[in-house]
Amino acid sequence: AQSVTQLDSHVSVSEGTPVLLRCNYSSSYSPSLFWYVQHPNKGLQLLLKYTSAATLVKGINGFEAEFKKSETSFHLTKPSAHMSDAAEYFCVVNGNQGGKLIFGQGTELSVKP
Amino acid sequence: EAGVAQSPRYKIIEKRQSVAFWCNPISGHATLYWYQQILGQGPKLLIQFQNNGVVDDSQLPKDRFSAERLKGVDSTLKIQPAKLEDSAVYLCASSLDRGRHYEQYFGPGTRLTVT
Repeated sequence: AQSVTQLDSHVSVSEGTPVLLRCNYSSSYSPSLFWYVQHPNKGLQLLLKYTSAATLVKGINGFEAEFKKSETSFHLTKPSAHMSDAAEYFCVVNGNQGGKLIFGQGTELSVKP
Repeated sequence: EAGVAQSPRYKIIEKRQSVAFWCNPISGHATLYWYQQILGQGPKLLIQFQNNGVVDDSQLPKDRFSAERLKGVDSTLKIQPAKLEDSAVYLCASSLDRGRHYEQYFGPGTRLTVT
């Protein structure tokens, strides 16, 4: 079975400092992994995805994530936080070959001025 | 390109009442998903359609929830009768086709409150 664990329910950073949101996954086969962002009262937006190509994946708005098979991790990073980055972030693994997504519990990112 | 549309955006009902949600996916998308997102949790798949056929409804509480996708385009999700624990955001998503490499596009969701 596939599962995702987001290690922090809430992360707070100052504007201009680096962001690290941690995610570990479990999968019985080579997974596809995603990070989605959800702003208040908005729909989920795909930030980036890993589908067995390059292990360092670049996404929108300066975010990137590195797939580490040996550590079963897929942490999300950004060099410099912006106020507009404040939102809920979800690490996601594909649940099967048919497209079903398994979401983590989410990490709320706060950005202080 | 128009995104996934959902209505209503908000709904408040009393327990034991019924409610229906509507979803219009992105034009040409064969696969449609309904997810339930309870406050403080990540979304959970309720049902997946491929065109007008059900692919996965293993997590759908079939004693009270039903969904259909007539003509393989729009979809409705119904709850009858509603329980307090059904309070959640119901998200609709669509993708061009079924499979792990196809991006899912999400609608804004319908926030249901059951009192």
